[in-house]
Amino acid sequence: GENVEQHPSTLSVQEGDSAVIKCTYSDSASNYFPWYKQELGKRPQLIIDIRSNVGEKKDQRIAVTLNKTAKHFSLHITETQPEDSAVYFCAASNVYSGGGADGLTFGKGTHLIIQP
Amino acid sequence: DAMVIQNPRYQVTQFGKPVTLSCSQTLNHNVMYWYQQKSSQAPKLLFHYYDKDFNNEADTPDNFQSRRPNTSFCFLDIRSPGLGDTAMYLCGTRKRTQETQYFGPGTRLLVL
Repeated sequence: GENVEQHPSTLSVQEGDSAVIKCTYSDSASNYFPWYKQELGKRPQLIIDIRSNVGEKKDQRIAVTLNKTAKHFSLHITETQPEDSAVYFCAASNVYSGGGADGLTFGKGTHLIIQP
Repeated sequence: DAMVIQNPRYQVTQFGKPVTLSCSQTLNHNVMYWYQQKSSQAPKLLFHYYDKDFNNEADTPDNFQSRRPNTSFCFLDIRSPGLGDTAMYLCGTRKRTQETQYFGPGTRLLVL
């Protein structure tokens, strides 16, 4: 089965600086890579996702890059703000052309702390 | 956000006493997932339904069962909860033609 490694487990950055979280996956069949933000006691919320046929995707201050050859993908948050403080999970899944999909395999999470 | 609803939001049960958690969705999504998330850990997939087809993960304990009586509802039954089953249980849904998975607010289960 799929195995997703995520680093670092904790990341502390100054407000306004950038944050980068990295993930690697093991199953070359995985083709869908979402990132979720989870605040304490709340549900995971999708913040950005990328398919394997795309190398980079950006949405305002958030970007994700994917290196399919190396099987790694990264989340980049620029101009960090206090409300960015949360746990971030990367995940991987194999979405089939017929519409089926495996469930998500999550990384262990990164606790992002934005220092004022 | 109210499109995936989980009940109850909090559940306390005794060791060995069966418990049922429910998930309902108004999105008409084909796929429904159940994840277990223990404290400070990542969500872990237990099983999912693709329409009526049930797909169990290989390492999901037999103690966990699921039912999907119709498109809108899915239930998680824990037949004999152990202390180690204390966790947040998340329901996820997905439309067949899309990759995005949406989560409900979760049910916090405490086994005493």
